[in-house]
Amino acid sequence: NAGVTQTPKFQVLKTGQSMTLQCAQDMNHNSMYWYRQDPGMGLRLIYYSASEGTTDKGEVPNGYNVSRLNKREFSLRLESAAPSQTSVYFCATLLGVNTIYFGEGSWLTVV
Amino acid sequence: QKEVEQNSGPLSVPEGAIASLNCTYSDRVSQSFFWYRQYSGKSPELIMSIYSNGDKEDGRFTAQLNKASQYVSLLIRDSQPSDSATYLCAVYGGSQGNLIFGKGTKLSVKP
Repeated sequence: NAGVTQTPKFQVLKTGQSMTLQCAQDMNHNSMYWYRQDPGMGLRLIYYSASEGTTDKGEVPNGYNVSRLNKREFSLRLESAAPSQTSVYFCATLLGVNTIYFGEGSWLTVV
Repeated sequence: QKEVEQNSGPLSVPEGAIASLNCTYSDRVSQSFFWYRQYSGKSPELIMSIYSNGDKEDGRFTAQLNKASQYVSLLIRDSQPSDSATYLCAVYGGSQGNLIFGKGTKLSVKP
């Protein structure tokens, strides 16, 4: 997972609280992704960014916002956390069409 | 919504046997295809990528792609207990230009 850093690794939130998951990469990749993974559901795309300054919705964007202010960083924000957002979140980067790197994951629990 | 389908398993094979994992995708213009292995509590790691029809071999792993049938497979020869994990099929490109994952197949290799 060298090159893609996610913070925090673990977080417990109360319903209604807000927080931001941070993702940073030092590989100069253009495309970055945020996924969530729930038991039996595989990896579901929340948002992605094909390049600096652009973002697009994925399969499950509701309840999330993202920001890609520069090429290196792509953040995911939960404005008002809900228990349904309890999940493992993965950031990933894509170089060209054949090289994909994942961060180590962020475990989020909303109580 | 473009889809990537996998049998959820679990797929159980004896040690030394060949494990066969299958994946179908719905978007005909998809460009790149990937197999990831994910151990419990860890992030996905890339095993194989394939871009053109036919077979691609890497050690004990062989990826097979048939774009006409929209089908990707992964064969694991001489399966080992350490191969026990969830295997994720991922498809990149297509009309949405992003990376879509299947729900994964859980493989169990029995000693």
